[in-house]
Amino acid sequence: DAGVTQSPTHLIKTRGQHVTLRCSPISGHKSVSWYQQVLGQGPQFIFQYYEKEERGRGNFPDRFSARQFPNYSSELNVNALLLGDSALYLCASSLAGGGGNTIYFGEGSWLTVV
Amino acid sequence: QKEVEQDPGPLSVPEGAIVSLNCTYSNSAFQYFMWYRQYSRKGPELLMYTYSSGNKEDGRFTAQVDKSSKYISLFIRDSQPSDSATYLCAMSAQGGSEKLVFGKGTKLTVNP
Repeated sequence: DAGVTQSPTHLIKTRGQHVTLRCSPISGHKSVSWYQQVLGQGPQFIFQYYEKEERGRGNFPDRFSARQFPNYSSELNVNALLLGDSALYLCASSLAGGGGNTIYFGEGSWLTVV
Repeated sequence: QKEVEQDPGPLSVPEGAIVSLNCTYSNSAFQYFMWYRQYSRKGPELLMYTYSSGNKEDGRFTAQVDKSSKYISLFIRDSQPSDSATYLCAMSAQGGSEKLVFGKGTKLTVNP
């Protein structure tokens, strides 16, 4: 069975541009969350979506937004990119949203902002 | 004070050694405790999952949770060079949340 899949795997953007990252959860999983991992740090929670509704939001500016589609896939959008947005963006999925459900991560999308 | 503290290392051990990795936390609401392994430039891979206090064993890996001390540990027995990676502890509170709070990660190298 396929795990959590993310695209693109690597991308380079210029300051001020916009980026869209995509995620397909494990088949049957209805909850998707997004994390940002800066080099040398642990992942930081950005958003969680369950059944297409936002369930949680981390301490990130409004430039970050996300949504979940009827097939439970998700996309993360970041506007007005800053150099500090350069990071590994991880998508995770679980059956019904953590709190007892195992959470699985994808391989991530490496974003470099120049 | 950070919610989850983890010594970033690096930690270097000879092959066959017992490795002990630890995290402390401050939020008493945490109920679910996980250890992830992350190879360089890859996504985190779930190793161990524990609910509340106690021990859990899986092959060469043992996870311990002491909620009274707010302290969790991961032990790796008979360590192998393939165990060389960054180990991340992660925790969450109840309520169907996928909001995990991670430690910084400990970089482990097992030397042949």
